[in-house]
Amino acid sequence: AQSVTQLGSHVSVSEGALVLLRCNYSSSVPPYLFWYVQYPNQGLQLLLKYTTGATLVKGINGFEAEFKKSETSFHLTKPSAHMSDAAEYFCAVSEGGATNKLIFGTGTLLAVQP
Amino acid sequence: DGGITQSPKYLFRKEGQNVTLSCEQNLNHDAMYWYRQDPGQGLRLIYYSQIVNDFQKGDIAEGYSVSREKKESFPLTVTSAQKNPTAFYLCASSIDLRTGVMNTEAFFGQGTRLTVV
Repeated sequence: AQSVTQLGSHVSVSEGALVLLRCNYSSSVPPYLFWYVQYPNQGLQLLLKYTTGATLVKGINGFEAEFKKSETSFHLTKPSAHMSDAAEYFCAVSEGGATNKLIFGTGTLLAVQP
Repeated sequence: DGGITQSPKYLFRKEGQNVTLSCEQNLNHDAMYWYRQDPGQGLRLIYYSQIVNDFQKGDIAEGYSVSREKKESFPLTVTSAQKNPTAFYLCASSIDLRTGVMNTEAFFGQGTRLTVV
């Protein structure tokens, strides 16, 4: 069975500092990996995804993530945090196929201090 | 613009009452999903449907029911058997089988916040 672990339910950074949100996955098949962002009382918006090919994936708003198979990780980074990055971030894994069910981690709430 | 519409945005349920949450999409997606979100627990899958007139239980289906009579619509009923229904409910869709692409992301609606009063 697939699973996702997000280390750190709350992360706080200063504006302009590096953002690093951690995600480790478990999957018996080559995984498809996703990062979503959620603002209060809203749905989820896709930041980036890894399916096949290049392991360093760039997304919206300056975020990127690197798929490391040997470490079963897909950590999300951004070189310089902005106040507007304050939100909750979810990592998800899927086996693809006709169902394409996404299994989510428990989320990381990012606070950005001025 | 294509997207997923959930209604209502806020819903209040009395004890012992069934309520139905609406989810409509115009993305021509074949697969649709319902997730429940509670603080600190992430999103948990309630039900999913790969195709019209077919649906499968997810991890927490007890106390919920769904139907998929039309490709565009996937309503969720929270029954009186669901003992702790207060949560944020998210509907999502993915996969247009015509494209043959199966590893796509899911698109989400804006959610319905259900509160028991």
